[in-house]
Amino acid sequence: DVKVTQSSRYLVKRTGEKVFLECVQDMDHENMFWYRQDPGLGLRLIYFSYDVKMKEKGDIPEGYSVSREKKERFSLILESASTNQTSMYLCASSPTGNQPQHFGDGTRLSIL
Amino acid sequence: QQQVKQSPQSLIVQKGGISIINCAYENTAFDYFPWYQQFPGKGPALLIAIRPDVSEKKEGRFTISFNKSAKQFSLHIMDSQPGDSATYFCAASIRNFNKFYFGSGTKLNVKP
Repeated sequence: DVKVTQSSRYLVKRTGEKVFLECVQDMDHENMFWYRQDPGLGLRLIYFSYDVKMKEKGDIPEGYSVSREKKERFSLILESASTNQTSMYLCASSPTGNQPQHFGDGTRLSIL
Repeated sequence: QQQVKQSPQSLIVQKGGISIINCAYENTAFDYFPWYQQFPGKGPALLIAIRPDVSEKKEGRFTISFNKSAKQFSLHIMDSQPGDSATYFCAASIRNFNKFYFGSGTKLNVKP
């Protein structure tokens, strides 16, 4: 069965910290995505990657960066965490082409 | 500017009733329209999807209706059950592009 695993379900960090969110998929998918989910705003794309070491900005990349050194792993980095980055973060993967995305169960991140 | 507009934001339906969620889009290049279902504490999961060469797709109690000329599509849940209570997201994407655009979500509550 398809599996996308996010390393933490809940995370609490302090303002100014560098924060790493990790995501691993076991489906050999080419594409991986990071979204944030906020009430009333749906899912907003932060970054996505269509190949190892390749990345593209989504709709809200400011304050974030990503790393994809291996095909199965996609990391989201908050360079200097701020309180407005408190949110639910969802990782997803998909095969190449117009194929449905498979999501992890999310990381609820609180920045104090 | 939201590429896919979803309504209503929340919906209460009695058990056995029909739940209807609507989405509208502007970009005529969209050619894949999935619906995702999300339960609390879980990531979104693909429920049903349609491509614009058909006007309707049915899977069990779930039906997508697609109106290409109006640039609208909707999810109908027949004989709604309390177990259908979840948040539903519509989405759209373009062939050969890996990016999905999500609606803002509809929280469905089916009363027993």
